[in-house]
Amino acid sequence: KAGVTQTPRYLIKTRGQQVTLSCSPISGHRSVSWYQQTPGQGLQFLFEYFSETQRNKGNFPGRFSGRQFSNSRSEMNVSTLELGDSALYLCASSRGVFEETQYFGPGTRLLVL
Amino acid sequence: AQSVTQPDIHITVSEGASLELRCNYSYGATPYLFWYVQSPGQGLQLLLKYFSGDTLVQGIKGFEAEFKRSQSSFNLRKPSVHWSDAAEYFCAVGANQAGTALIFGKGTTLSVSS
Repeated sequence: KAGVTQTPRYLIKTRGQQVTLSCSPISGHRSVSWYQQTPGQGLQFLFEYFSETQRNKGNFPGRFSGRQFSNSRSEMNVSTLELGDSALYLCASSRGVFEETQYFGPGTRLLVL
Repeated sequence: AQSVTQPDIHITVSEGASLELRCNYSYGATPYLFWYVQSPGQGLQLLLKYFSGDTLVQGIKGFEAEFKRSQSSFNLRKPSVHWSDAAEYFCAVGANQAGTALIFGKGTTLSVSS
């Protein structure tokens, strides 16, 4: 069974631009979560989607948004990029909504110049 | 507020020696606890998890962890470390009933000396 895939793997943007990252969960998984990893703040939860609905949201500004499609694929968008948004963005998928294990993808490394 | 503390930023262990990585959590209810490992440039791989039941949990690659409610701890152990175990290790607690929306510790970097 294929794992979680994320595209693109690497991305360079400039301040003020916007970016969209994509995540395809493991087949049969309906929940997708996003995390930001930086050297300073570590791993931080962004948001979680299940059946196209946002179930949980972390403490990030409104510039960070996401959505989930009917096939469980998910995208996250960051608008008006700031230098501090440079990070590894990790996507994780799980099967459902109770006592679940999350499986992580390899991440998208975003560099904002 | 929920939190996870990994007191050791960096640990060096000789190959073949035993390992214990510490993790303390703060969570109001029965926690869902996880240990993940991350190699450079890679995503996170699940080592083991605790949801309920037996407090000693076995994982992959010979790792185990023990949940101690009285100490709010979930320490990771391995009896004999291999050079390939060098990586960064993260303890996490699930912030909801699904065990998702993970709150991570800052991580412990493990170096293995020969």
